Amino acid sequence: NAGVTQTPKFQVLKTGQSMTLQCAQDMNHNSMYWYRQDPGMGLRLIYYSASEGTTDKGEVPNGYNVSRLNKREFSLRLESAAPSQTSVYFCASSETGRSEAFFGQGTRLTVV
Amino acid sequence: AQSVTQPDIHITVSEGASLELRCNYSYGATPYLFWYVQSPGQGLQLLLKYFSGDTLVQGIKGFEAEFKRSQSSFNLRKPSVHWSDAAEYFCAVGGSGTYKYIFGTGTRLKVLA
Repeated sequence: NAGVTQTPKFQVLKTGQSMTLQCAQDMNHNSMYWYRQDPGMGLRLIYYSASEGTTDKGEVPNGYNVSRLNKREFSLRLESAAPSQTSVYFCASSETGRSEAFFGQGTRLTVV
Repeated sequence: AQSVTQPDIHITVSEGASLELRCNYSYGATPYLFWYVQSPGQGLQLLLKYFSGDTLVQGIKGFEAEFKRSQSSFNLRKPSVHWSDAAEYFCAVGGSGTYKYIFGTGTRLKVLA
């Protein structure tokens, strides 16, 4: 049982490049989330999807877009990467908004 | 506004000593509370959760936490720390139907042999 799988694990981008971070969960969860983790700031919510077909902004959505492709998959896209987007990105899922979240292993993104 | 405060950025304890990590939250309704642990280069693993009922909750790896509504706190405790407990610990708060888990800034635990 893989849980939440993120790809890639590491990525280096040049400023202005675009990329998509992929996330898939095999727990049949309804809700999925994208967080970024920066030193001393904890985890901050970028976007979330309460259920298949819906997406909503979190605390720090600027510069990002998301797609809930189906119940299993939730991708995060950076259209024009900036150095301020250098961070570790975590995808998570939960059965509902009333249960604990399960996290992937993270994607370490560096924008130069 | 919802928020979580972990006042201690770093804590150092000796192996075998007891541990308490502090967490204070601000939430307008009945909170759901969580403690997660993150080892270097890894994702977050759930240690324990509180939704309702008994205010003292038991988790994995010998951890426990106590919900105190009057103090808006959810402190994490362990009676005897092991070297493998060295990690970063995050407190988080959520609520029914909000879909937004708010995380504290984390407490990094160092364990001395």
